[in-house]
Amino acid sequence: GDSVTQMEGPVTLSEEAFLTINCTYTATGYPSLFWYVQYPGEGLQLLLKATKADDKGSNKGFEATYRKETTSFHLEKGSVQVSDSAVYFCALSQQGNNRLAFGKGNQVVVIP
Amino acid sequence: DAGVIQSPRHEVTEMGQEVTLRCKPISGHDYLFWYRQTMMRGLELLIYFNNNVPIDDSGMPEDRFSAKMPNASFSTLKIQPSEPRDSAVYFCASSFAGGYGYTFGSGTRLTVV
Repeated sequence: GDSVTQMEGPVTLSEEAFLTINCTYTATGYPSLFWYVQYPGEGLQLLLKATKADDKGSNKGFEATYRKETTSFHLEKGSVQVSDSAVYFCALSQQGNNRLAFGKGNQVVVIP
Repeated sequence: DAGVIQSPRHEVTEMGQEVTLRCKPISGHDYLFWYRQTMMRGLELLIYFNNNVPIDDSGMPEDRFSAKMPNASFSTLKIQPSEPRDSAVYFCASSFAGGYGYTFGSGTRLTVV
């Protein structure tokens, strides 16, 4: 079945550092891809999405490009802030199917 | 729109008691999802509805769990009897058809002692 794999373990980095969180997927066809963010004590919020190959989703300084050839959707931000500390989830859904398959999430901690 | 509204935000109950979690989806959304989140298992899809009809409840852990959606603006998740291992954060989410992503509620943190 469809699945999403995120890199293991939390990510700790200093303010203004470059952030990358890896996400790869296994799916048939052309799924839509998403990144969600969960701040402490809150529900998940949609951060960005891409619906076809080579699309770039962007929001709040975060970017991710849909790479069909490598089945990846890595999340990047050029200069993180303490307020970016959160858990980040990669997810996919198939065309015509509203069900999202989530990765396990990555805790990001930004130190001042 | 006020978003997806869940109640209560926190619930502490004793083992064996009945617990009812509530969700009001965004008006006009066709789909409603119930998730459970724990440190050990991460996010688990319990059940989802399309146009108030349950589509897939294969994630419901056991018969102690039940979910209903009597109308387009309200859903409940009931646990009877509750057990300590049910302690988790339970999220409700809703969406339009077409794979545009979900809107999540703020969750209910359930503690069973």
